[in-house]
Amino acid sequence: QVQLVESGGGVVQPGRSLRLSCAASGFTFSNYGMNWVRQAPGKGLEWVAFLSSDGTNKYYADSVKGRFTISRDNSKNTLYLQMNSLRADDTALYYCARGNNFGFDYWGQGTLVTVS
Amino acid sequence: DIVVTQSPDSLAVSLGERATINCKSSQSVLYSSNNKNYLTWYQQKPGQPPKVLIYWASTRESGVPDRFSGSGSGTDFTLTISSLQAEDVATYYCQQYYGTPPYTFGQGTELEIK
Repeated sequence: QVQLVESGGGVVQPGRSLRLSCAASGFTFSNYGMNWVRQAPGKGLEWVAFLSSDGTNKYYADSVKGRFTISRDNSKNTLYLQMNSLRADDTALYYCARGNNFGFDYWGQGTLVTVS
Repeated sequence: DIVVTQSPDSLAVSLGERATINCKSSQSVLYSSNNKNYLTWYQQKPGQPPKVLIYWASTRESGVPDRFSGSGSGTDFTLTISSLQAEDVATYYCQQYYGTPPYTFGQGTELEIK
């Protein structure tokens, strides 16, 4: 069965960096575009970044552009999010989500990032 | 960028009654080449990630009860729960998935039992 497992969250000071990982299993990872979506405590969903299946096309939300970098290692079935210059408003639960041609069909349980 | 706006922000409905949530996009999400609306509805229960309910505006995801239905085209969409059950208490989000990212979400609608 499809599984997405995020890791790498934690408490970090403003201005510091953190790298999140998302380990995928149960499907051919290299065939799918992947996304990061975040949810601040008690708030709604915010799409953060997308990376195409082959890693060539990347898109970012304006709120993270220039600070976050999405990448993937298809040989390791893993998606990454490098987060630099973190701010208090980056505090959120970060989900990775598989993209399909109709939306995000599988989601992980999320990893919590607290910037304080 | 396409802005997606849901209404209402919260909704209280009696068990067995109909619940209706609206979603409006700032520009059309209808692809003329395949006549599909790239609008997806998700359900999120507390402590869980979102789950796809409806995609292409009106196609029910496998395993989703048939009391959930989606309608609309272009810029205006509706999620309807025909007969509310206790397990439907959740927050519901619409998302536009048109073209290249950003794939924006609506702000969410919290549904509770009256």
